[in-house]
Amino acid sequence: NAGVTQTPKFQVLKTGQSMTLQCAQDMNHEYMSWYRQDPGMGLRLIHYSVGAGITDQGEVPNGYNVSRSTTEDFPLRLLSAAPSQTSVYFCASSRAGYSYEQYFGPGTRLTVT
Amino acid sequence: GIQVEQSPPDLILQEGANSTLRCNFSDSVNNLQWFHQNPWGQLINLFYIPSGTKQNGRLSATTVATERYSLLYISSSQTTDSGVYFCAGSSNFGNEKLTFGTGTRLTIIP
Repeated sequence: NAGVTQTPKFQVLKTGQSMTLQCAQDMNHEYMSWYRQDPGMGLRLIHYSVGAGITDQGEVPNGYNVSRSTTEDFPLRLLSAAPSQTSVYFCASSRAGYSYEQYFGPGTRLTVT
Repeated sequence: GIQVEQSPPDLILQEGANSTLRCNFSDSVNNLQWFHQNPWGQLINLFYIPSGTKQNGRLSATTVATERYSLLYISSSQTTDSGVYFCAGSSNFGNEKLTFGTGTRLTIIP
């Protein structure tokens, strides 16, 4: 199994540009989520999904959109990038929800200039 | 949601030393997880430990949910143990989102 994969590994955007961070898992996990990690802080939940077709907001959802058309994929879209979105983004999956063991992808380091 | 505090924020040890990392919660937790983020940024789940004690090699963890804390023990530290250790928990099983602490940065000196 590849586990949780994320692309790209690094990305530089200009303010106002849009892009999609990709996340995929091959463990048939129902639950997937996106976190951002900023220096000196723990991980903060952006959006999550409990299954295909179902998404919900986390702690810091503003400026981000998600969709879940398949069990395997959970892309994160930045519609109009802002410098405040400079961060490291992690995708995670688990068997059924927050309360189960979380598996993380390798992360995407995003810089917005 | 719950608040999560980790201590100490930084820890520097000689190779071979033992260490104890602590995680305190503002409310009772039904679910708790420990993660290691290595120097390359990868997050690895170490323990899913809502209560009791678990051991995996040189690492072990104990959670006392009713007293709102968890401990991570690392024995005979190796340089590969360096990185940041996070704990995360939620207050209601399956309903509350995971809240992460700000981490303990562990540096093991050869």
